[in-house]
Amino acid sequence: AQRVTQPEKLLSVFKGAPVELKCNYSYSGSPELFWYVQYSRQRLQLLLRHISRESIKGFTADLNKGETSFHLKKPFAQEEDSAMYYCVLQTYNQGGKLIFGQGTELSVKP
Amino acid sequence: KAGVTQTPRYLIKTRGQQVTLSCSPISGHRSVSWYQQTPGQGLQFLFEYFSETQRNKGNFPGRFSGRQFSNSRSEMNVSTLELGDSALYLCASSTDRANNEQFFGPGTRLTVL
Repeated sequence: AQRVTQPEKLLSVFKGAPVELKCNYSYSGSPELFWYVQYSRQRLQLLLRHISRESIKGFTADLNKGETSFHLKKPFAQEEDSAMYYCVLQTYNQGGKLIFGQGTELSVKP
Repeated sequence: KAGVTQTPRYLIKTRGQQVTLSCSPISGHRSVSWYQQTPGQGLQFLFEYFSETQRNKGNFPGRFSGRQFSNSRSEMNVSTLELGDSALYLCASSTDRANNEQFFGPGTRLTVL
């Protein structure tokens, strides 16, 4: 079965601290993985995708196929990073079907 | 470009009724997907339409249906509403390329009494 697991419902850190939002997936094929973010009163939007291997707003995520993980990291959290983060799996040949994790709410305190 | 729009934004229905939600994708996007978001189940995929054809389907009962028009606008219909259908229904549109970003609408909040 295709599944995405985000073990933490809420992650609270202080400004300037490192952040790691965990994500594990279950899929036997070659996955396409994304992180989507929803800031307060805004729409769900793409943060980054594994295929791009880029840093967005200081966030990076590395796909580890051995551990089936795609953790999201940022070395120094900012208050404006406070939001709901979703790890998302897209399987090959299934077009627009996205499989969402339960989401992790990140709270960055001043 | 205008973003994805959904109408209505809020809806209150009673059990047994049916409801139709509408989604207008970003101009040029031919894929439209629908998701149901609830506190208990999170975000779950309902179905995807591309060029007026259902291309993917999630694990929802047949009471949930949809369609897409030639201008890529999409509607979803829920018949014989149940209390458990109360949710935020999100629509997303995208181009048909690999690793494509999906652009989400603001959602329609459906309350079933």
